[in-house]
Amino acid sequence: SSELTQDPAVSVALGQTVRITCQGDSLRSYYASWYQQKPGQAPVLVIYGKNNRPSGIPDRFSGSSSGNTASLTITGAQAEDEADYYCNSRDSSGNPHWVFGGGTKLTVL
Amino acid sequence: QITLKESGPTLVKPTQTLTLTCTFSGFSLSTSGVGVGWIRQPPGKALEWLALIYWNDDKRYSPSLKSRLTITKDTSKNQVVLTMTNMDPVDTATYYCAHVYVDTAMAYFDYWGQGTLVTVSS
Repeated sequence: SSELTQDPAVSVALGQTVRITCQGDSLRSYYASWYQQKPGQAPVLVIYGKNNRPSGIPDRFSGSSSGNTASLTITGAQAEDEADYYCNSRDSSGNPHWVFGGGTKLTVL
Repeated sequence: QITLKESGPTLVKPTQTLTLTCTFSGFSLSTSGVGVGWIRQPPGKALEWLALIYWNDDKRYSPSLKSRLTITKDTSKNQVVLTMTNMDPVDTATYYCAHVYVDTAMAYFDYWGQGTLVTVSS
């Protein structure tokens, strides 16, 4: 399968911890990368590789992976974290290519 | 500092061919491990990966759109061009280009253009 599956929507209380998951066969072979997208803006990379954050991304964002599931965790969610989050990875099934998950809408309550 | 910018028509008619150009700066597409990809997003919908070209001219396409897509690069001009044939209203979307870094352990789109909205309508 060359799909990545995400929950469509997740909510978290301000200051609490939330985990956003991404499932797919390709994640057994490749790390996921995670992107945050706010309305009207281009996506921003927040996590890549095993658990790496680009410069400028707060350390409340972290990543992990187990089997066919990758997770993005926000520890102490802030109001500005409300956004859509997408996972992405390479896929070697058939002709190698790339794939994005369907996205998770995060609401901070 | 790495920047990318998409350019092309904002409106195309059904059955026409779309040509988009990504003009970038701050990196060379002849550097090992570097690539440029195209991703689109229909209004209110998810991101969809379309195509990617690597520093060594290796090209990858979305399996579902492969027959309609062509990606090329002009290293001297710092440009990547995507063409999509036989456009349909369902192809209405914001089209992004992005810098990609690839090695054996990981790969990611770390810099994105602002995107360009393409509407397909007669």
